[in-house]
Amino acid sequence: GEDVEQSLFLSVREGDSSVINCTYTDSSSTYLYWYKQEPGAGLQLLTYIFSNMDMKQDQRLTVLLNKKDKHLSLRIADTQTGDSAIYFCAENRDDKIIFGKGTRLHILP
Amino acid sequence: DAEITQSPRHKITETGRQVTLACHQTWNHNNMFWYRQDLGHGLRLIHYSYGVQDTNKGEVSDGYSVSRSNTEDLPLTLESAASSQTSVYFCASSDSRAASTDTQYFGPGTRLTVL
Repeated sequence: GEDVEQSLFLSVREGDSSVINCTYTDSSSTYLYWYKQEPGAGLQLLTYIFSNMDMKQDQRLTVLLNKKDKHLSLRIADTQTGDSAIYFCAENRDDKIIFGKGTRLHILP
Repeated sequence: DAEITQSPRHKITETGRQVTLACHQTWNHNNMFWYRQDLGHGLRLIHYSYGVQDTNKGEVSDGYSVSRSNTEDLPLTLESAASSQTSVYFCASSDSRAASTDTQYFGPGTRLTVL
């Protein structure tokens, strides 16, 4: 099947904004998600966006959705050391969740 | 509080042995899923279930089986463990109700090493 694509690594200086990008495959996906995985732990839902929205903001997190290009992004403002993790983009398709391979966010001092 | 647990958290076994990984959720979710996570592959779906007595194969189901005899549990069995099955295994569950967001809740993972 087609993949959810995202870059594998991102390095950002502490205090800067992080932007993680993703392209998904199914234009009929109802929800798109961002999950966060900290070392040694399972995935936790960070935020999600309904497909009829183009933006969602939640404190330091901003999700942008471009349905025409099937592009999803996650912006983390004022990136902190605790944001160091792997971030997974995901879409719901055929009653399942399809995950990207994850973007490892590394915070530089 | 509702939760999803996995056991054991770490397991070392030998090639050819049968291994069962447990997953238990108290969310009362109908949907349950097993994934494996490997470097370079992200999360790959092994098996999933939409309710009691329902099981379905995912993209990497060969060498694995599941059974769903109740809502809370979906054990994953490796019939004859192979070194290629060394991985971290995650169980997840989600609400099947129409108003849900299909959000999956993940267990903490089981690290399996097959020698």
